[in-house]
Amino acid sequence: GAGVSQSPSNKVTEKGKDVELRCDPISGHTALYWYRQRLGQGLEFLIYFQGNSAPDKSGLPSDRFSAERTGESVSTLTIQRTQQEDSAVYLCASRTSATGKLHTQYFGPGTRLTVL
Amino acid sequence: GDSVTQMEGPVTLSEEAFLTINCTYTATGYPSLFWYVQYPGEGLQLLLKATKADDKGSNKGFEATYRKETTSFHLEKGSVQVSDSAVYFCALNRDDKIIFGKGTRLHILP
Repeated sequence: GAGVSQSPSNKVTEKGKDVELRCDPISGHTALYWYRQRLGQGLEFLIYFQGNSAPDKSGLPSDRFSAERTGESVSTLTIQRTQQEDSAVYLCASRTSATGKLHTQYFGPGTRLTVL
Repeated sequence: GDSVTQMEGPVTLSEEAFLTINCTYTATGYPSLFWYVQYPGEGLQLLLKATKADDKGSNKGFEATYRKETTSFHLEKGSVQVSDSAVYFCALNRDDKIIFGKGTRLHILP
């Protein structure tokens, strides 16, 4: 596709349930990022993938959060035993490794998660 | 740690007014600096960037200059339009990730 896509666009779940959020980066982009945007707040970094490995998981807020990436393509962010404070928009971004464009991240439209 | 502070919104202006959104940063070394914009119902997109001191980034009539001495990267536009209504995020890069400010919501009245 032309841009980063994310699914679902909206997810409503009950407290305690597990959810999976999906990100399809731009084809050929080796780096992939997950961010969280709570209402009225800035973007919080969650995790970064270079290829299929995650050199930086420092932003994951708890062990209920995990992410994986396969085939240097799609990534899934899993939240187990969701809590109300997990309600937010989850944004995915990807970037190329091409010289001169190292820091331009391209963002998807986000998944709005609501935990009741 | 590294951080970005930007003026709180919302900022409301009339069409054709002059815009300034202040942004200051705290970082070791010399990070690249960015302004991202999020239009209503759309994803975040890069507006402009500057990679070293005294660089000026510009796009769509917006400008920002990397000021090392004041650790600032203020966003300016000489004459805003209704279509500029959006949320603007100042950001810096650190070790392959981007650190964002909290965002400033801009409303432009016709």
